[in-house]
Amino acid sequence: EAQVTQNPRYLITVTGKKLTVTCSQNMNHEYMSWYRQDPGLGLRQIYYSMNVEVTDKGDVPEGYKVSRKEKRNFPLILESPSPNQTSLYFCASSLVGAYNEQFFGPGTRLTVL
Amino acid sequence: GQQLNQSPQSMFIQEGEDVSMNCTSSSIFNTWLWYKQDPGEGPVLLIALYKAGELTSNGRLTAQFGITRKDSFLNISASIPSDVGIYFCAGQLWTSGTYKYIFGTGTRLKVLA
Repeated sequence: EAQVTQNPRYLITVTGKKLTVTCSQNMNHEYMSWYRQDPGLGLRQIYYSMNVEVTDKGDVPEGYKVSRKEKRNFPLILESPSPNQTSLYFCASSLVGAYNEQFFGPGTRLTVL
Repeated sequence: GQQLNQSPQSMFIQEGEDVSMNCTSSSIFNTWLWYKQDPGEGPVLLIALYKAGELTSNGRLTAQFGITRKDSFLNISASIPSDVGIYFCAGQLWTSGTYKYIFGTGTRLKVLA
């Protein structure tokens, strides 16, 4: 089944404790992206990647890191999480280009205490 | 960061009524997209628009890409209870050979049977 998977789905952590949220897709997509969703703010793009070893900042990259060592995986890293990073996070993937649909993962709900 | 102005923020309607929502931006987009998010899931693409002035339908949904490329609307005709959810507009913004997505703040739709 074609899908985008994220792990974990739920995470409660404390300020400053490094964490990684994994994202994997099995559709051979070049374009992958991370978003955060907050009430009243919609989805905001954190980072995106057009292909392996190519990453770019979205609108809200501060406090996050990503890597794209393999085509299928695009982990989101929070080196020192803070409470303002409490949010619902989505990973998405697509083929590159204007005419290609983004497929979203199921989301990861992160709480930073 | 950039965001699209989406309105209304929320709406309660009776089953069978038509619904209209719109998005405006200060930026010009090459592509406008409309997504629906069901509770507990990631957004799913409803309609994609690629040309200024384009009017596209998908079942009971109709969307238009504004002639200035800075706005779009989505209409839902004869709403049914399963239309409940959050609707997002999004624009695809190309710069220097890469592109990112800008999302609206969402319209939360509730349909009363």
